[in-house]
Amino acid sequence: DTGVSQDPRHKITKRGQNVTFRCDPISEHNRLYWYRQTLGQGPEFLTYFQNEAQLEKSRLLSDRFSAERPKGSFSTLEIQRTEQGDSAMYLCASSFGTSNYGYTFGSGTRLTVV
Amino acid sequence: DAKTTQPNSMESNEEEPVHLPCNHSTISGTDYIHWYRQLPSQGPEYVIHGLTSNVNNRMASLAIAEDRKSSTLILHRATLRDAAVYYCIRRYSGGGADGLTFGKGTHLIIQP
Repeated sequence: DTGVSQDPRHKITKRGQNVTFRCDPISEHNRLYWYRQTLGQGPEFLTYFQNEAQLEKSRLLSDRFSAERPKGSFSTLEIQRTEQGDSAMYLCASSFGTSNYGYTFGSGTRLTVV
Repeated sequence: DAKTTQPNSMESNEEEPVHLPCNHSTISGTDYIHWYRQLPSQGPEYVIHGLTSNVNNRMASLAIAEDRKSSTLILHRATLRDAAVYYCIRRYSGGGADGLTFGKGTHLIIQP
């Protein structure tokens, strides 16, 4: 297993367009997390899945954001009607569902909304 | 609410030990303390975690205070590749709740 993969690495989009990011977690991990990080800040939690169930969503996640994890494998994060404030690094991580285990993060998708 | 407090930055010399402090005074009995580090343009990388006892691995050591209100990440012999932002985090899991809450971390600068 090569770790957590995210695609694409970079995305430039025009304001108002929709974008979708993909995350492939470590296959044995049952939990998958999405974070957003802006320059100079730590990652902010957005949402997480246990298998295919979305168990928690941050208040940061507006109605324009939606995430799915069909069949409990890969996940997608979609942003509709993008705004300039959505420009950030979007990070995906996976883990087992116990606090006695570390997270493995992907390299992230850098979104720039112009 | 990051629930942990770390210095904004620290500086050390190459090949010397580095002690990175973290305060987590409101930690609950079942929260694990995790440390991650992040290089520019990369995702965070897991370093170490622990609950009560001190922990060692190939990357670092974690010293946890007896009252668990603070901890220290120890890099025994810093190299230039250790220059990164280090995050101290409480990992909680209660009911449906999960998720690491990151603060701003400590920017570690290593001087050659």
